[in-house]
Amino acid sequence: EVQLVQSGAEVKKPGATVKISCKVSGYTFTDYYMHWVQQAPGTRLEWMGLVDPEDGETIYAEKFQGRVTITADTSTDTAYMELSSLRFEDTAVYYCAFRYNYSAFDIWGQGTLVTVSS
Amino acid sequence: AIQLTQSPSSLSASVGDRVTISCRASQGFSSALAWYQQKPGKAPKLLIYDASTLQSGVPSRFIGSGSGTDFTLTISSLQPEDFASYYCHLFNNYPHTFGQGTKLEIK
Repeated sequence: EVQLVQSGAEVKKPGATVKISCKVSGYTFTDYYMHWVQQAPGTRLEWMGLVDPEDGETIYAEKFQGRVTITADTSTDTAYMELSSLRFEDTAVYYCAFRYNYSAFDIWGQGTLVTVSS
Repeated sequence: AIQLTQSPSSLSASVGDRVTISCRASQGFSSALAWYQQKPGKAPKLLIYDASTLQSGVPSRFIGSGSGTDFTLTISSLQPEDFASYYCHLFNNYPHTFGQGTKLEIK
């Protein structure tokens, strides 16, 4: 069974950095890009970027460029999303997701809540 | 970047009703549009991809249509488990874009 299991909830202060993991199982990690999506309370889903686990190449959304780093560790089949210089408005649930059987995100992690609070 | 505008943002309906949700793009593109259902505290679930293709296991009451700039999701006869939020998603280029969502509530 294809699964994405994300790390647990985080509470961070403004200006801090958070790093969330997404452990995959049930498929070959390097065969599919891994994407990250932000969902802040009351706002739309926001695509943050992706990583190609095969070569580490990344594409980031302009909104997050300069603050987000998405990586892939092929030794542990784990993708990571690091967001720096956290602001109150970064309080959100963050999902990893990818296109497995279909031409859209058919596989999602369970989500990780990040709370930015002073 | 292409923007997606969903309407309505919220909708009240009854079991058995037929409802339609619209997703309009700021410029035309291929049929690379998907629809997701999301329930509180859960990840989105893929319903439809390529504008009109039902994902395996999704009930046939969910119908996707459209092309170019105008796309719709129709639920032909609402069931109790359909009350949730729905999002459209453009995935043919970067950045990927989502609509702002439609919350479907019980009347």
